Amino acid sequence: DAGVTQSPTHLIKTRGQHVTLRCSPISGHKSVSWYQQVLGQGPQFIFQYYEKEERGRGNFPDRFSARQFPNYSSELNVNALLLGDSALYLCASSWVIAGGLQETQYFGPGTRLLVL
Amino acid sequence: DQQVKQNSPSLSVQEGRISILNCDYTNSMFDYFLWYKKYPAEGPTFLISISSIKDKNEDGRFTVFLNKSAKHLSLHIVPSQPGDSAVYFCASSWNAGGTSYGKLTFGQGTILTVHP
Repeated sequence: DAGVTQSPTHLIKTRGQHVTLRCSPISGHKSVSWYQQVLGQGPQFIFQYYEKEERGRGNFPDRFSARQFPNYSSELNVNALLLGDSALYLCASSWVIAGGLQETQYFGPGTRLLVL
Repeated sequence: DQQVKQNSPSLSVQEGRISILNCDYTNSMFDYFLWYKKYPAEGPTFLISISSIKDKNEDGRFTVFLNKSAKHLSLHIVPSQPGDSAVYFCASSWNAGGTSYGKLTFGQGTILTVHP
């Protein structure tokens, strides 16, 4: 079975530009979460989407947005890029069982974004 | 506000010996804990998890211990193998009423090196 896939794998942008990152969850997983990992730190939660609705948001500015599609894939959008947005962006998917409880999150390989 | 802390940036162990990785948390709402392993240029790989209703969970060479009163968890790897060399992250989450477990809070990571 395919795991979580993300595209592109690497991306170079300049300050002020916009970027769209894509994620396809494991088949059957309906919840997708996005994380940002900067060098030397653990991943930081950005968003969680379930059934196409935002269910959680981390401490990130409004320049960050996301959406989930009917096939449960997801996009992360970042506007007006800053140098500090350079990071590894990770997508994770999980099952949702009865009562909305989610099980373990499984991560994709990430998209490495460099902002110059 | 670092709610999950891994105070040892690195750990070096001889092949065949035990590796013990530690993690402390401050948020008493956390009720689900996970360990992930991460190789360079890859996303985090799930290793093992534990619910707050347990104090120990084993899976092959990996055992996670949870001490709720001390807000401390540890990962034991026995015996350690050179292929275990990676960055290890602990992560915590809680049932946030509907967004259950969608947000993981990570520690900073510990670099484990297992020498042949």
